[in-house]
Amino acid sequence: GAVVSQHPSWVICKSGTSVKIECRSLDFQATTMFWYRQFPKQSLMLMATSNEGSKATYEQGVEKDKFLINHASLTLSTLTVTSAHPEDSSFYICSARRVGGENEQFFGPGTRLTVL
Amino acid sequence: SQKIEQNSEALNIQEGKTATLTCNYTNYSPAYLQWYRQDPGRGPVFLLLIRENEKEKRKERLKVTFDTTLKQSLFHITASQPADSATYLCALREGGFKTIFGAGTRLFVKA
Repeated sequence: GAVVSQHPSWVICKSGTSVKIECRSLDFQATTMFWYRQFPKQSLMLMATSNEGSKATYEQGVEKDKFLINHASLTLSTLTVTSAHPEDSSFYICSARRVGGENEQFFGPGTRLTVL
Repeated sequence: SQKIEQNSEALNIQEGKTATLTCNYTNYSPAYLQWYRQDPGRGPVFLLLIRENEKEKRKERLKVTFDTTLKQSLFHITASQPADSATYLCALREGGFKTIFGAGTRLFVKA
């Protein structure tokens, strides 16, 4: 149990285009989902926290107009990187906290974004 | 400033030995401390969670200790196997929703 999927697993796009990444909790409901980015050999950096049905809370330094987050249901959150640029290339990982769980986070497999 | 420190140098051990990884933190008062495993190009996998009022927790070959006075957690893998080779992340959660991760320690277990 407690499986989180992400789609796509990797994407290559041209500079200036927008990319949408989906995060789904497959066998549990998640009131809270988190989006992280990770550069090689570095820690996961929290970008934003999203709660179902409400606006996401962004971390300092993360542009909310550039990284659009929608948490439409208890099992789905999406991250849209708008007008992507090469510096947005990174590994994006979502996680979900289970309703009634022990506060551990279950992570998706990650999405490798490369912007040319 | 707040910091989570994990040994940035890789830990190399022989198969069958116990691996011990360290997580130190400053300027946090975590309600929970968690350990995750991450393989290259993959998302982290939850291993163990320990609460601030717990000293030790075990799960199969894994053991975690939590010393809030020293502001330190130790993560042990006994009878280590080459399949245990991965990066291990320490994560803290204070009150609220946010969990902060350390940079991780890379473990190599040689056969």
